Amino acid sequence: DIVMTQTPLSSPVTLGQPASISCRSSQSFVYSDGNTYLNWLHQRPGQPPRLLIYKVSNRFSGVPDRFSGSGAGTDFTLKISRVEAEDVGVYYCMQATQFPYTFGQGTKLEIK
Amino acid sequence: EVQLVESGGGLVKPGGSLRLSCVASGFTFSSYAMMWVRQAPGKGLEWVSAISSSSGHILYADSVKGRFTISRDNAKNSLYLQMNSLRDEDTAVYYCARDERHCSGGGCYPGDYWGQGTLVTVSS
Repeated sequence: DIVMTQTPLSSPVTLGQPASISCRSSQSFVYSDGNTYLNWLHQRPGQPPRLLIYKVSNRFSGVPDRFSGSGAGTDFTLKISRVEAEDVGVYYCMQATQFPYTFGQGTKLEIK
Repeated sequence: EVQLVESGGGLVKPGGSLRLSCVASGFTFSSYAMMWVRQAPGKGLEWVSAISSSSGHILYADSVKGRFTISRDNAKNSLYLQMNSLRDEDTAVYYCARDERHCSGGGCYPGDYWGQGTLVTVSS
């Protein structure tokens, strides 16, 4: 199984300041179509996860442009350029290339 | 608008059974692979099972293999998860989600849409 490791596990951030979350995989995971299916999900308390970023760097429909994803191989990063109050919650990276799909442990973003 | 609505969760004793359902709308269900993902209370996400659009390919996590059965009824736009021999550690919110990467017209990705989830509690 591919192990996804996120850092940090907790991130206190000041409103309006940037935030960054790292995700490292135990191996690279390129699908047969040449794509790396690395997702970033956001989950607010009591809510289901929702997709933010797919295939490493593509924002999903309706996702603000303050969110960006980058990376390749085994190292990936989610960046929020200016944190807003609605961004609190837990962020997960997820590899959806190889079964079983696997998730990072989650990074809790909270406002200082 | 894509919607996924789960139901069937509840309290069950260890060793018992439960059947979860997920009704889909807003897209051509029969063209999409689907999956179940669960989340234990206060914990992270765990992939459980996946099924292809025609039910020809089915996969399970090792933790549920032999106990859970995924199925679908494309005529009813419905996905199911039959859970037998339930254990305390199966207690979780169960989410259904789309799992398609190659759809007509593009614009679909594994994990793009998720339901609200249904809570399964296994306890004596």
